[in-house]
Order: sequence, then structure tokens, then C-alpha cells
Amino acid sequence: DQQVKQNSPSLSVQEGRISILNCDYTNSMFDYFLWYKKYPAEGPTFLISISSIKDKNEDGRFTVFLNKSAKHLSLHIVPSQPGDSAVYFCAATADYNQGGKLIFGQGTELSVKP
Amino acid sequence: NAGVTQTPKFRILKIGQSMTLQCAQDMNHNYMYWYRQDPGMGLKLIYYSVGAGITDKGEVPNGYNVSRSTTEDFPLRLELAAPSQTSVYFCASRQVNSPLHFGNGTRLTVT
Repeated sequence: DQQVKQNSPSLSVQEGRISILNCDYTNSMFDYFLWYKKYPAEGPTFLISISSIKDKNEDGRFTVFLNKSAKHLSLHIVPSQPGDSAVYFCAATADYNQGGKLIFGQGTELSVKP
Repeated sequence: NAGVTQTPKFRILKIGQSMTLQCAQDMNHNYMYWYRQDPGMGLKLIYYSVGAGITDKGEVPNGYNVSRSTTEDFPLRLELAAPSQTSVYFCASRQVNSPLHFGNGTRLTVT
């Protein structure tokens, strides 16, 4: 029972272009969503988040979009840089402010080619 | 400020052996979590804790135990190691309204 799904295991993008990573969820109780980035041999690091009361959150080159009716969120990276090459995980939770557990997707490996 | 520290970094166990994966954080975070990462499977929650003395099961708790006697430490215990427990284990912590901070992981092989 995969409550958070990232259906694309990998994505390859040219430097300077847009990267779009997608994530779907099934639990309608989820009210907070996060994206994490992971380099090999390191722990994941927080990238950007969005509350269910919003449909967009932007931080520099990174923008997360949330479509609650479709239970879908996406991460846009513009422009993509070679240093963005990593595995990206989306995560969701139903009670973030009470220490609620984060459920992660399978991850998408992004490769940005020079 | 070291953040989240996990030890050991690597370990090889024989089937049936036991071991404890250590996790410590120095950020005074109330919430702590253990995840395992298997190839293509993402991060699966094993156990979590919302404060000292309080623990709860996550998605894949079978074969593991935890304790939380202090705010800083959240050890994960494997009693009878099995090949299915070969994985990379990540400990994480956070405070209210803040994102998870992860350690760098423990790579465990059970043969």
C-alpha cells in the first residue's frame, strides 16, 4: 500500500532547461508535503515544502505545486544545473505539527547533463 | 552543533546476530525517526518517537525494537538479523514546524 508514489524512477534533463518531478498520493488526510534531495552516501536534505492550504510555494529556482483535487504535487527546477543531479523524494504527512510521521515516495533520480 | 549522528557507518552481520544502531542528535528535537532505504523502494518508516519515553511503530517495524530514554538518543535494535534487513538505515529528527534533519546513514549487510 504505497500512499505516496513517484512513478518516474529517473529523469534526464539538459542544463538550463526545466526539470519537473512528479508525485501522487492517495491519503486525503495528508495536509503537508515536502521535497528532499539526496546525494550518494549522504542523508536526505530538506528542499522545499507546501501546506495543503496553498497551491504553490517558491524558493529561488525551486517551485512546488499542489493540486489537491488530483492528489498530485510537482517540483519544478528552473534553470536546472549539474549540481542538481541527485535523488529527489517527496513526502507527506497528516499531522505535521504534532510530530506526525512522514511517508516518502520511492524517489526520482535526476540527472542534469551539461 | 553536529546535528544527527549515526554510528556505525557500515556493518556486516551474520544471520541471527544482534546489534544496535546508534542515533544521537544535539538540536534538542522532540521528534525522532528511523527509516530504511531499499533500492527502488524509497524510505520506509520503521519506528518513531514524539518524546522521551514515547515510541510508536511505523510502516515496517517487524524485526526491530527502539527505546527513547533521553531526548538526545534513539537507538534501533535488531535482535535476530535476517538477510531481509540488509539496507541503509537513516535516523532523523525534527522540532515542531520544522523539516526532518537526517543523519548520514548506516549501511548494514546481513549474510
